[in-house]
Amino acid sequence: EPEVTQTPSHQVTQMGQEVILRCVPISNHLYFYWYRQILGQKVEFLVSFYNNEISEKSEIFDDQFSVERPDGSNFTLKIRSTKLEDSAMYFCASSEQTDTDTQYFGPGTRLTVL
Amino acid sequence: KQEVTQIPAALSVPEGENLVLNCSFTDSAIYNLQWFRQDPGKGLTSLLLIQSSQREQTSGRLNASLDKSSGRSTLYIAASQPGDSATYLCAVRRSSGGSNYKLTFGKGTLLTVNP
Repeated sequence: EPEVTQTPSHQVTQMGQEVILRCVPISNHLYFYWYRQILGQKVEFLVSFYNNEISEKSEIFDDQFSVERPDGSNFTLKIRSTKLEDSAMYFCASSEQTDTDTQYFGPGTRLTVL
Repeated sequence: KQEVTQIPAALSVPEGENLVLNCSFTDSAIYNLQWFRQDPGKGLTSLLLIQSSQREQTSGRLNASLDKSSGRSTLYIAASQPGDSATYLCAVRRSSGGSNYKLTFGKGTLLTVNP
């Protein structure tokens, strides 16, 4: 069964460093998302992406964040200068269409900022 | 602003029991509602998706209902098994209009099924 994959599973970085989290969505899906979950808190929406542009973003997704689909399969989230409060589990998701379809989530990348 | 609440926060039941998990949302203008399962330190597994026009969806031992006007959904698990132990999350998508794709999540119900 097709699934969303994410790498790495765990990333440790120093405050102020740039990180890139990678995702491979399900191959025939057109809509891509990033969410995050700070330990003990709710899953929060960050950004959605369609047709090579951002379609919606939350107030969390400020200028330090960016997303890209550099080729036909990968979808990346970049954090330019990490802060301690960026430590969280980051989930990538994809859906075939937005209107009726399920969002399928990857296993997540645990980001630890020291 | 949409708020999603799940009650109870934790539930412990003996194996074989039928149980109900509750989800409520403040803005009834939703497009769909999705139930997920999350195992410790893992990703989210989609269980059921209910469109706003539907009243319920079933998958195996799971049945989810939706009462949009009252802002409530329930997830019914029949004949619970230890393997059902996980956190169950409810998430709603706002009504379509522009590009409202995001899911708003509840905090989840931690279910423990004891053998």
